[in-house]
Amino acid sequence: AQKVTQAQTEISVVEKEDVTLDCVYETRDTTYYLFWYKQPPSGELVFLIRRNSFDEQNEISGRYSWNFQKSTSSFNFTITASQVVDSAVYFCALSEANSGYSTLTFGKGTMLLVSP
Amino acid sequence: GAGVSQSPSNKVTEKGKDVELRCDPISGHTALYWYRQSLGQGLEFLIYFQGNSAPDKSGLPSDRFSAERTGGSVSTLTIQRTQQEDSAVYLCASSNRDRPNNEQFFGPGTRLTVL
Repeated sequence: AQKVTQAQTEISVVEKEDVTLDCVYETRDTTYYLFWYKQPPSGELVFLIRRNSFDEQNEISGRYSWNFQKSTSSFNFTITASQVVDSAVYFCALSEANSGYSTLTFGKGTMLLVSP
Repeated sequence: GAGVSQSPSNKVTEKGKDVELRCDPISGHTALYWYRQSLGQGLEFLIYFQGNSAPDKSGLPSDRFSAERTGGSVSTLTIQRTQQEDSAVYLCASSNRDRPNNEQFFGPGTRLTVL
């Protein structure tokens, strides 16, 4: 069965520090997608990135970067030079081909607190 | 255009009462999902609708939970005989099924409190 583990329940950093949020997944499928979502205090989940299992290239978007490593089943998320507005709960999620990508399996989330 | 909307935003009910939660997906999105977010439990999948196909109900925690989707658009999640453990935020999401990578757009959620 599929599973997503976010071992860090809460991380506190000071503004401008870099921070990495860990995500480890389990799946029997060879074809799957990985996602990161951000949930700010307002509560609405915001899509950040999607990665398919055949593309291990790391991706950078502004201050955000993602490191996908199939060898360790990890899809870690790094925020460079963190800002107070980055404070939120971040969820990693997985969808699999054998379910027709019909559902997302989420990790329990990592709460990031960025203080000034 | 408009995003996914949910109503009510907050619902307080007494144990044993029935509640209905509503979701309006993004216009044109054929897939609709319900999730539950409880403290310490993360986000749990409840049910999935895709077009006119039979829904995937595999995530519903008990037979007190049901959902329907009328006309391929609006969906209602019904919880009968609510229990205190049903207290959670219920999130709805929709996606355009033409996109196989299944990016889901989430609504703001309904916070349900069962006293």
